[in-house]
Amino acid sequence: GAVVSQHPSWVICKSGTSVKIECRSLDFQATTMFWYRQFPKQSLMLMATSNEGSKATYEQGVEKDKFLINHASLTLSTLTVTSAHPEDSSFYICSTKRETGELFFGEGSRLTVL
Amino acid sequence: GQNIDQPTEMTATEGAIVQINCTYQTSGFNGLFWYQQHAGEAPTFLSYNVLDGLEEKGRFSSFLSRSKGYSYLLLKELQMKDSASYLCAVRDWGSYIPTFGRGTSLIVHP
Repeated sequence: GAVVSQHPSWVICKSGTSVKIECRSLDFQATTMFWYRQFPKQSLMLMATSNEGSKATYEQGVEKDKFLINHASLTLSTLTVTSAHPEDSSFYICSTKRETGELFFGEGSRLTVL
Repeated sequence: GQNIDQPTEMTATEGAIVQINCTYQTSGFNGLFWYQQHAGEAPTFLSYNVLDGLEEKGRFSSFLSRSKGYSYLLLKELQMKDSASYLCAVRDWGSYIPTFGRGTSLIVHP
């Protein structure tokens, strides 16, 4: 199956700073990647769809100026949380999708904003 | 969109069988997925159903009834390592990715 690598696994930052999370598709070229956020004991919520070579598509209620997504190559998408605040503390997970619809997830990145 | 409902938490005994139910409402069904998620980790794929019936894969089976908007995940011969959250996800025709339910936290005890 597809292999997705996400980095960093854990990050702690001060309020007001920015944090970048990388998501790499290791075994196939992913023109589309997906970014999810998961709060404790909550469901995976889709934040945005990352499109290689074009702008990301954001879900309703997700601030595109706060969560910057760059999909510069067919194997790399990045999510930057700008001016992070404690309420942004969450588990961020990226995924790729096979034609069958099966999603392959990265390891996830746990962000803690102090 | 979808309205996906599954129990919040279940407990079971090691070696037993447990059934986790999922009900959904959607305007155009195009597949149902089950994922397993251990605490602090990303979800991993368990099963996919698009037609009615039972799909068996080792100790895990998944059932779908489209007319009832209902699915279940059946786990047999439970092991301690099966303690995890089990996420039901439903895909619409209008979307190429599924929407996730809140997950069912399964606790397996000796």
